[in-house]
Amino acid sequence: SAVISQKPSRDICQRGTSLTIQCQVDSQVTMMFWYRQQPGQSLTLIATANQGSEATYESGFVIDKFPISRPNLTFSTLTVSNMSPEDSSIYLCSVETGAVTFFGQGTRLTVV
Amino acid sequence: GNSVTQMEGPVTLSEEAFLTINCTYTATGYPSLFWYVQYPGEGLQLLLKATKADDKGSNKGFEATYRKETTSFHLEKGSVQVSDSAVYFCALSDRSYGGSQGNLIFGKGTKLSVKP
Repeated sequence: SAVISQKPSRDICQRGTSLTIQCQVDSQVTMMFWYRQQPGQSLTLIATANQGSEATYESGFVIDKFPISRPNLTFSTLTVSNMSPEDSSIYLCSVETGAVTFFGQGTRLTVV
Repeated sequence: GNSVTQMEGPVTLSEEAFLTINCTYTATGYPSLFWYVQYPGEGLQLLLKATKADDKGSNKGFEATYRKETTSFHLEKGSVQVSDSAVYFCALSDRSYGGSQGNLIFGKGTKLSVKP
């Protein structure tokens, strides 16, 4: 199993600012994933973060808006840049280990 | 592309009622199928999974059978409890990421409320 800690758990931010979300795993993992869950919607993959290489972004998501760091095998950050109210969502990181995907508690972001 | 369609909620049941949450999928190849649960104020947790046709996943009294002929993975429980109140997500894995579980594609989620 894997225990994932995400910070912050929630935040209210002003439009035009940026927020960096941290994800810490209690074991070394090759791939980490970042998802977004918009209000009333399902989860959508933003990007896959591998240690030592650039993140791979899904269609509709770009690095300038959602820069990701992956400095080692247990940690990653996702930044939501130049925020607008449309970015209000829950952001979740996840890892796969032992053929099971584990999720963090999520970061509930509200942009005002 | 791959997709998951899940019955819309909310679903409200009385305690000890029978639960079915329908899930169908569209996929190329042979995906693995999952049910995740999100209890109020908590993160997503894996409830059960099935990795090939006719497999039955089960956990905490919940069951789901991987039906390739009907491309379905319906979640069932014979007798629900108040503590089962949560949002349930059906998901499939896209194995394009080098054979790992990789990207999970989720349904929209079904909110279940169980009344005493």
